[in-house]
Amino acid sequence: AQKITQTQPGMFVQEKEAVTLDCTYDTSDPSYGLFWYKQPSSGEMIFLIYQGSYDQQNATEGRYSLNFQKARKSANLVISASQLGDSAMYFCAMREAANTGNQFYFGTGTSLTVIP
Amino acid sequence: DAGVIQSPRHEVTEMGQEVTLRCKPISGHDYLFWYRQTMMRGLELLIYFNNNVPIDDSGMPEDRFSAKMPNASFSTLKIQPSEPRDSAVYFCASSLEGTGHNQPQHFGDGTRLSIL
Repeated sequence: AQKITQTQPGMFVQEKEAVTLDCTYDTSDPSYGLFWYKQPSSGEMIFLIYQGSYDQQNATEGRYSLNFQKARKSANLVISASQLGDSAMYFCAMREAANTGNQFYFGTGTSLTVIP
Repeated sequence: DAGVIQSPRHEVTEMGQEVTLRCKPISGHDYLFWYRQTMMRGLELLIYFNNNVPIDDSGMPEDRFSAKMPNASFSTLKIQPSEPRDSAVYFCASSLEGTGHNQPQHFGDGTRLSIL
């Protein structure tokens, strides 16, 4: 089974609107971390936000927030007030605490296009 | 602070040639990862090191690929002989040991490799 599933290959959003990018995960480890990365067309991978499995609050970083629903095993990224510069690929990733090597499982990504 | 530094940014070479990709991780990071990204296969972990020691190289495609980390501030990924199917973007990433699962991986800008 896939550890990380991103079911939306492509998404479009109007500038200044909010958008949610879906991510579901599969693990039996009670302790894990979830990460989102942004990859613009220039190619670099930029770390955006982290959520720990025991965190009581949803993570937020500026316009990025994580809608963490532990029972559903979902960790959706919410981008508020979309900007043209948000157009990029977005990857969800997970690390399990039992994995001593800090190895990440990455999803296949969602391509976001912000429309002016 | 300097991020992960990869060189070269772009490499174009002919089939059969030796290719060497270089990476300088973030100072103080314990882990170093090499990834390959293609449209067909997405982001694949090739190998990772902990404190300069290779831990898991199960992702290395075949014997033509080798990686070394002679010291904490330098790693190489070598392909010899190179083949057209090796064309991809190669990323190096580094991270701290962290506690459990909370440390993100920080990526370099990648090397775009084209084998003709």
